[in-house]
Amino acid sequence: KQEVTQIPAALSVPEGENLVLNCSFTDSAIYNLQWFRQDPGKGLTSLLLIQSSQREQTSGRLNASLDKSSGRSTLYIAASQPGDSATYLCAVHRDDKIIFGKGTRLHILP
Amino acid sequence: NAGVTQTPKFRILKIGQSMTLQCAQDMNHNYMYWYRQDPGMGLKLIYYSVGAGITDKGEVPNGYNVSRSTTEDFPLRLELAAPSQTSVYFCASSYHEGAPLHFGNGTRLTVT
Repeated sequence: KQEVTQIPAALSVPEGENLVLNCSFTDSAIYNLQWFRQDPGKGLTSLLLIQSSQREQTSGRLNASLDKSSGRSTLYIAASQPGDSATYLCAVHRDDKIIFGKGTRLHILP
Repeated sequence: NAGVTQTPKFRILKIGQSMTLQCAQDMNHNYMYWYRQDPGMGLKLIYYSVGAGITDKGEVPNGYNVSRSTTEDFPLRLELAAPSQTSVYFCASSYHEGAPLHFGNGTRLTVT
């Protein structure tokens, strides 16, 4: 059974710092991995999707990496801003199912 | 495109009542999903559908039913509401297996 873990559950960093969020999964036979952002009381917004054949994807200040063999993905946020404060979730796709981690709640301190 | 639309946004039910959570997408997506999100528990898959007329159970299907008579709509039915079904429900869709997932804004349901 696929399990997805995100550590830490919560993180506070000063504005301007670079940071890394972690996602690990137990079954490496995945189609792809997707990172989402969720603001309080809102739905999930897709940030990046990495296909299983890819090693990383970039969008603006965000960079996501994927290491299938070790069952790990990281989301790198450069030059963090208060507007980056949100919960970040990763999800792995396999077969017809998409399994989510519990998320990392990020707070950027002004 | 409106994307994924969920109605209602909020609902309070009494124990034993029934209701249908509506989900519609206008992106011609084949795959549709229902998740529930509880505090500190992440998202749990309730049911999913890979196309019209095809549905399958996820991790937590008990107490729920779904149907997929059209590509656009994927309603979730609660027959006998229980307090354990108090949650935020999200509908999502994707064009095909492995394609990016698009979410609705959710329905916040309280059962008292």
